[in-house]
Amino acid sequence: DQQVKQNSPSLSVQEGRISILNCDYTNSMFDYFLWYKKYPAEGPTFLISISSIKDKNEDGRFTVFLNKSAKHLSLHIVPSQPGDSAVYFCAASADTGGFKTIFGAGTRLFVKA
Amino acid sequence: DAGITQSPRYKITETGRQVTLMCHQTWSHSYMFWYRQDLGHGLRLIYYSAAADITDKGEVPDGYVVSRSKTENFPLTLESATRSQTSVYFCASSESQGGNTEAFFGQGTRLTVV
Repeated sequence: DQQVKQNSPSLSVQEGRISILNCDYTNSMFDYFLWYKKYPAEGPTFLISISSIKDKNEDGRFTVFLNKSAKHLSLHIVPSQPGDSAVYFCAASADTGGFKTIFGAGTRLFVKA
Repeated sequence: DAGITQSPRYKITETGRQVTLMCHQTWSHSYMFWYRQDLGHGLRLIYYSAAADITDKGEVPDGYVVSRSKTENFPLTLESATRSQTSVYFCASSESQGGNTEAFFGQGTRLTVV
């Protein structure tokens, strides 16, 4: 049973528009949610994170929103750029000792010029 | 160069062969991880290590063996490779585990078992 779900395998957006990547989770124990970005032939790199005590975290063009009651988070990219084309992984973690970060299946974003 | 490196980048092996994937990090991070990436499954944890000589199973450990005699190295061995182990393997390291800790990933090893 997947505890972190990214139900959209891919997303296509026009350059300059907003990209919204969604992630759902099932475990209320998660304390942090992280987004990683992965380009082809490279390893994932950390993008942005949010604590479960917050509902929004912003870093430049990237904003993550958390809705705890719905167990849902989303990553907004505004404005989208062709260089944002990559696979985005949602991940969830907890402060509980020994907890291992759990990753979603990823969403491939295509930003068209 | 500072960072985390994996070798080889690409490997083709035959069913039943033993193969070892190497991982080396220069940050002296305590934690190291091995993940496999498969379509539809994202990144699944195979094994992890909290320190030298301390290793533990992740979500999909069957068919894999790890060791960590030195902090900087964390090799992953497939004792008898199977076609289901065809995947992209990522090694990662971090200062701690869980919480808001960022993990740093290597470039990946694409393994094909024929």
